[in-house]
Amino acid sequence: SQQGEEDPQALSIQEGENATMNCSYKTSINNLQWYRQNSGRGLVHLILIRSNEREKHSGRLRVTLDTSKKSSSLLITASRAADTASYFCAGRQDSNYQLIWGAGTKLIIKP
Amino acid sequence: NAGVTQTPKFQVLKTGQSMTLQCAQDMNHEYMSWYRQDPGMGLRLIHYSVGAGITDQGEVPNGYNVSRSTTEDFPLRLLSAAPSQTSVYFCASSYEALSGNTIYFGEGSWLTVV
Repeated sequence: SQQGEEDPQALSIQEGENATMNCSYKTSINNLQWYRQNSGRGLVHLILIRSNEREKHSGRLRVTLDTSKKSSSLLITASRAADTASYFCAGRQDSNYQLIWGAGTKLIIKP
Repeated sequence: NAGVTQTPKFQVLKTGQSMTLQCAQDMNHEYMSWYRQDPGMGLRLIHYSVGAGITDQGEVPNGYNVSRSTTEDFPLRLLSAAPSQTSVYFCASSYEALSGNTIYFGEGSWLTVV
């Protein structure tokens, strides 16, 4: 099945450090979104980056998109304990309605 | 504005039983979908709907039925539960399907089939 690949699968860092997560696809996508999921909860939208954008910022979040490499990265700067969650990328395929989801990166921020 | 509401939150079923997971949204969204989430596998699309009266299969539709009689409601039916259907189920909606609209998720339904 089509699925995005995310790495690392898990990341544990100290509070205040930056966290970087990566996402890659085998198929062409026309936009990519990042979502956060706190334990036991639904997913919450963080940021969208379109195929004609290379980089986008939102608060402490910075997202990049490289369409030639079919990859994206999410950077969280100055991490906080409240950033502890799983992060998922979702790319919308050019051809149909469906999103391709990554398997997620579990981020743990140590106080 | 409640967003996406799904019930029940937790359910234990015996193999062979049937049940319906309810999903409702109050945002007048055209696009609704059901996903299952299993450890290490991200989200897999079960069924989706682009509007009332229209449904289609996703990646893993076997064993599940859906209907979309109204814009607001999109129930997921398990016809004859199997242990392989033990999972967390999420209902989601967005304004429409094709563009980069934000997807809104329900809080999830934890289903165990014994």
